Parts: sequence; C-alpha cells; structure tokens
Amino acid sequence: SQWGEENLQALSIQEGEDVTMNCSYKTYTTVVQWYRQKSGKGPAQLILIRSNEREKRSGRLRATLDTSSQSSSLSITGTLATDTAVYFCATDAQGKLIFGQGTKLSIKP
Amino acid sequence: GPKVLQIPSHQIIDMGQMVTLNCDPVSNHLYFYWYKQILGQQMEFLVNFYNGKVMEKSKLFKDQFSVERPDGSYFTLKIQPTALEDSAVYFCASSPDWGASAETLYFGSGTRLTVL
Repeated sequence: SQWGEENLQALSIQEGEDVTMNCSYKTYTTVVQWYRQKSGKGPAQLILIRSNEREKRSGRLRATLDTSSQSSSLSITGTLATDTAVYFCATDAQGKLIFGQGTKLSIKP
Repeated sequence: GPKVLQIPSHQIIDMGQMVTLNCDPVSNHLYFYWYKQILGQQMEFLVNFYNGKVMEKSKLFKDQFSVERPDGSYFTLKIQPTALEDSAVYFCASSPDWGASAETLYFGSGTRLTVL
C-alpha cells in the first residue's frame, strides 16, 4: 500500500471547534491532494498542495506537506455541521490518484 | 463547477449477468477514470483512459471488466459476467490533462451496483 496504517480514523467534535487530520504516505510524491466526500456523493477536491509549497490555505482550510517525513495534514478552523464528511488525502502516481483510507469527520451541532 | 454525470445511480442485477455503467465526463476533459469503493472504505483505482486507450489498470480491473468511449459519447465500464464481489459503488472521474504534474479529478456521484 502507498499509505501508512494511521490514516483510518473517525473523529467527532462540536461545531465551532478546530480539527486537524493527518496522513502519511510511503512512496515519493510531489503533490498531495485533499478531497471531501459527503454521504452519497463522489469526492470533491478541497486543496492541492505541491512539494515546494509546504503550506496552502483556502478559506477555513489549511493544508501542509512535509516531504521529508512524507506526511500531510488538513486543518479546518471553526467547523460547521456541513463539514461532516469523509476526508481523503491522495497522491499522484503517474497519471492517476491513489487515495488514503480517509478520516470520517462528524460535526455535532 | 464542472459536472460528471453517472447513469444509473443504482443498479441491481443477478450474478452472471452483464452490466454497463455509464459516465458523461466534463466536455473538454481528456483523461477518464473508474474507481471502486466498497461501503465505508477507501477509493480504489481501477483504470484510466486517454485518447481511446487504457493507460493503466489495477489488479482490481479483472478480465471481466472493459472500458470504452465510442465516438466521444459515454465513457462506459462493462462487467461481463458479474460476480458477488463486484458489489460496490463505482465512481467515474475526469480531468482536463495530466501532463507533468497531478491535476484535479472531477468525480460523479457514483453508481451503486448490487449483484445478487
């Protein structure tokens, strides 16, 4: 597998709290993408971060990438109930994306 | 944003039958993909397709699977014959280009396939 075992987890937090999700990968990549999948839908990209960026922000989202430790994180500040979803990180592998196990995030209103 | 449409949203068939899953990718996209997701699990790559040809397929893409996009119409995944373990949600995705670095994939809402 391209992914570390710590990717699979479920988180449940109160609305308004901040959250950070982590993933680690085994094989070399220059790009990590984060996707969100809501119930009954396909994944939708949130952030694409390249190895020369280390950190990227989009609204309430912040992604980091550490190529030396082969890990990435996605933080959401001020979570909303609508942030409830499964969050996947994905690496590019020669013309395709390989997804991690995902984090199931539940936001309690 | 760009929309990928998948038809049908649900399909129930008997084991051994043939099934075709249809995908209408974003109109100017060049790369097409199928992914398989068993309930509650990760997205698993099946195959990617460019310029009328399969570029790469995974171990999950069994001999019973085939893909095509005749004359720019639907991008299809055909399974013949189906097996019980083919029950899953199948997601189609497309991207405008791949080039030297990764691009965003745009996913449809999936087709839930149930093989009885």
